Amino acid sequence: KAGVTQTPRYLIKTRGQQVTLSCSPISGHRSVSWYQQTPGQGLQFLFEYFSETQRNKGNFPGRFSGRQFSNSRSEMNVSTLELGDSALYLCASSDPGTSGTSETQYFGPGTRLLVL
Amino acid sequence: AQKITQTQPGMFVQEKEAVTLDCTYDTSDPSYGLFWYKQPSSGEMIFLIYQGSYDQQNATEGRYSLNFQKARKSANLVISASQLGDSAMYFCAMREPYKAAGNKLTFGGGTRVLVKP
Repeated sequence: KAGVTQTPRYLIKTRGQQVTLSCSPISGHRSVSWYQQTPGQGLQFLFEYFSETQRNKGNFPGRFSGRQFSNSRSEMNVSTLELGDSALYLCASSDPGTSGTSETQYFGPGTRLLVL
Repeated sequence: AQKITQTQPGMFVQEKEAVTLDCTYDTSDPSYGLFWYKQPSSGEMIFLIYQGSYDQQNATEGRYSLNFQKARKSANLVISASQLGDSAMYFCAMREPYKAAGNKLTFGGGTRVLVKP
């Protein structure tokens, strides 16, 4: 099976702009989670989508939003970009509903966003 | 709130030797899952090993094993016979039950491992 894919891999934006990142999960995986990784804050959970519904949300401002499509692909959007939004954004997919290792989240290569 | 602590920011290990990476966690829920991920400089998080809180035996996966001490709330990763390709950041993570947190992972700060030839 193909792994989790994320596009684009690299992105440069300026303050005030908005950005959309895309994530395609492993085939058959219905849950997609997003994480932000920065040197200062480490890895932080943004939100999780399952069957097109946001199931859980981290402690991020409303500028961060996401959605999931019927084919489980997900997008996240950041509006009114700030310098502090520069980070590696990681997407992970899993197939929850059973216990144990099948709930493992598998990550994509990430999108590196630089806000100038 | 749950918390994951990795006290070793960085460490060197000689090639072919074993290395233990520490991880302690804090949760009030009896049901949880513990994960270890490897992150090379490329950025991708690679799943290594999983331990469920009710698992009776310590998890093993090839050269990776997890020293799970539930009473002490620790889940240390042991990498045996280190290879140069093991040089990376290693993250410990925990997931609480879906009812509480969905599929959210909470990560520790990570340990950077450098394998010396």
